[in-house]
Amino acid sequence: RKEVEQDPGPFNVPEGATVAFNCTYSNSASQSFFWYRQDCRKEPKLLMSVYSSGNEDGRFTAQLNRASQYISLLIRDSKLSDSATYLCVVINYNQGGKLIFGQGTELSVKP
Amino acid sequence: EAGVAQSPRYKIIEKRQSVAFWCNPISGHATLYWYQQILGQGPKLLIQFQNNGVVDDSQLPKDRFSAERLKGVDSTLKIQPAKLEDSAVYLCASSLDIGSGSSYEQYFGPGTRLTVT
Repeated sequence: RKEVEQDPGPFNVPEGATVAFNCTYSNSASQSFFWYRQDCRKEPKLLMSVYSSGNEDGRFTAQLNRASQYISLLIRDSKLSDSATYLCVVINYNQGGKLIFGQGTELSVKP
Repeated sequence: EAGVAQSPRYKIIEKRQSVAFWCNPISGHATLYWYQQILGQGPKLLIQFQNNGVVDDSQLPKDRFSAERLKGVDSTLKIQPAKLEDSAVYLCASSLDIGSGSSYEQYFGPGTRLTVT
């Protein structure tokens, strides 16, 4: 079983739609959680951290459920510029702090 | 602030040849990472350095891959000999330090796209 698993994509949605991505992780000792965004043929960039209390950044909302070992990302009012691959990332600092990436979920927002 | 620099950006080689990639991290960043990203997958850590020491190289195929970070700044990753399955993007990242908090955020370079034919 992979350490981090994401919804298989791609997600094709119209502009203005709300879309949600799900991610599960297998290591209960995981301590920090993030969503990264990766544009086509570009490097990954940090989108937002994920906290147990849930956190919001504009149109983006991230949530963490430690009991279920589940992370989500909600995008409201999708824009064309949101088209990218979204990578779920977990870290266990006891393992040197390396990032464990999911395989990514591709989002394509259409006009 | 200058970002993580990598070179070359693209490389095409034949199987069994050798190749080397170079990375210059953000100034002052103690920790440097090399990742391999195969098409359609997330990045996978190959090796992590803290200054010039190796923290984690558990997923580095040591029979053909090697990496060094002399003087704790620049790093090189080498593949010798290359196989077809090594075709991927090789990403370098750096962070201020290991640990929690903002000092941990990793910044990625643009990557080197390797094609082995």
